[in-house]
Amino acid sequence: DAGVTQSPTHLIKTRGQQVTLRCSPKSGHDTVSWYQQALGQGPQFIFQYYEEEERQRGNFPDRFSGHQFPNYSSELNVNALLLGDSALYLCASSLRLGSDGYTFGSGTRLTVV
Amino acid sequence: LAKTTQPISMDSYEGQEVNITCSHNNIATNDYITWYQQFPSQGPRFIIQGYKTKVTNEVASLFIPADRKSSTLSLPRVSLSDTAVYYCLVGDTVAAGNKLTFGGGTRVLVKP
Repeated sequence: DAGVTQSPTHLIKTRGQQVTLRCSPKSGHDTVSWYQQALGQGPQFIFQYYEEEERQRGNFPDRFSGHQFPNYSSELNVNALLLGDSALYLCASSLRLGSDGYTFGSGTRLTVV
Repeated sequence: LAKTTQPISMDSYEGQEVNITCSHNNIATNDYITWYQQFPSQGPRFIIQGYKTKVTNEVASLFIPADRKSSTLSLPRVSLSDTAVYYCLVGDTVAAGNKLTFGGGTRVLVKP
């Protein structure tokens, strides 16, 4: 039973570029949340998707956007990259109407140079 | 959301018991206490969750006093592989639609 799968595992981008990160949720899960984790800090909530719509959003600028597809997979897009966007980006899936809890992927390490 | 306070770091030795206390003075009536473990370059992994008194599973125990203003995660007989960051979260985390709010966590280093 596959857990949460994220791709790519590592990525290097230049300031000002755009990046797309991808997430496949755990089998049976229908909700996807994205977190940003800077080095040495705890994960910070970016947003959550359910039924292909953004349901909750953390304190992140509009440069951060996302999408959820009919198969529950999700993408995180970041435009106009800044050096400060360098972080580990984590995807967590869950079941909206259930108590299965959250399952995290191993993340995508984004480095902006 | 209730704010949590936990030690920044702790050192221990193999075979010892590690206890990490988390303070959450403003915990709400419907809040649960959840602990996650995170290894470097991996996502957080659920360890244990409780509401009151004591909860035990195959990995850890969670002790919650009657006033619920603090909680203690107990890791029995740690090994080198228990070296990780441990996060205490407080909130209505049972409902899957609710976001998780992480603090800085406690870095536990297990020495041989």
